[in-house]
Amino acid sequence: AQSVTQLDSQVPVFEEAPVELRCNYSSSVSVYLFWYVQYPNQGLQLLLKYLSGSTLVKGINGFEAEFNKSQTSFHLRKPSVHISDTAEYFCAVSDHGGTGFQKLVFGTGTRLLVSP
Amino acid sequence: DAGVTQSPTHLIKTRGQQVTLRCSPKSGHDTVSWYQQALGQGPQFIFQYYEEEERQRGNFPDRFSGHQFPNYSSELNVNALLLGDSALYLCASRGTRSGNTIYFGEGSWLTVV
Repeated sequence: AQSVTQLDSQVPVFEEAPVELRCNYSSSVSVYLFWYVQYPNQGLQLLLKYLSGSTLVKGINGFEAEFNKSQTSFHLRKPSVHISDTAEYFCAVSDHGGTGFQKLVFGTGTRLLVSP
Repeated sequence: DAGVTQSPTHLIKTRGQQVTLRCSPKSGHDTVSWYQQALGQGPQFIFQYYEEEERQRGNFPDRFSGHQFPNYSSELNVNALLLGDSALYLCASRGTRSGNTIYFGEGSWLTVV
C-alpha cells in the first residue's frame, strides 16, 4: 500500500517569491508520482508527473518537481509565483498498474496563498 | 477533444434518498474511476471500472455502487444517503493503451441535508 504526506497544510508567500511545496511518500513498490492543482470550486488539473527517466520534471505554469528516491520525496517548486497560483495543491502516488489497474493515493493537500 | 465530463455539477438530496452521478471519460479512455473528496481533504478512491466490470474498490460501503456502459461512460450510485456523504465526487479516466496519466473531471458537488 502507498501513502502520501504533505508536510504543510498552508503555505503563505508573496507574489514573485519562490515557493516549495513538500511531499513525501511511502511505498513498497515502484511508483509513479503526480502533482495536481485544484482551483476554488473546480476539479483537479494535472500539473506534472514523474513516470521514469530524468528525476527533474517540468510541468505547466512554470512549476517543476524533483523525484528523490532515497528520500522518498517529490517536492514541487516554482521560482516566482503569481497571484493566480493561489490554489490547493495535491501530491499523489500510484503503483505501476501492471495488472491494468491503477489508483491514485492523495495527500491531504497544501493550500498556497499568494499575496501582493 | 473533450475532457472528462460530469453531471450534474451541483445537487442537494435529503438523508435516506438515492443519487446517481454520471461521467463521460476523455476521448480514447476506457477506464473510469470515482473519487470522493470531503471538504478540506484529499480525494479518496471509491472504485474503478474497466470493460464494464468493477476492477478494484476502496474502503467504501456497499451503498456505493457503479456501472460502466459499452461506450465507457459510467454512473456512480449512492443509496440511503447520509449527511457524511456530502462531498465533491470526482470522475477520472485513463486509457490503458495511452499512458499512465489519470485525468479528472470538474466533479459533482453533493450536499445531503
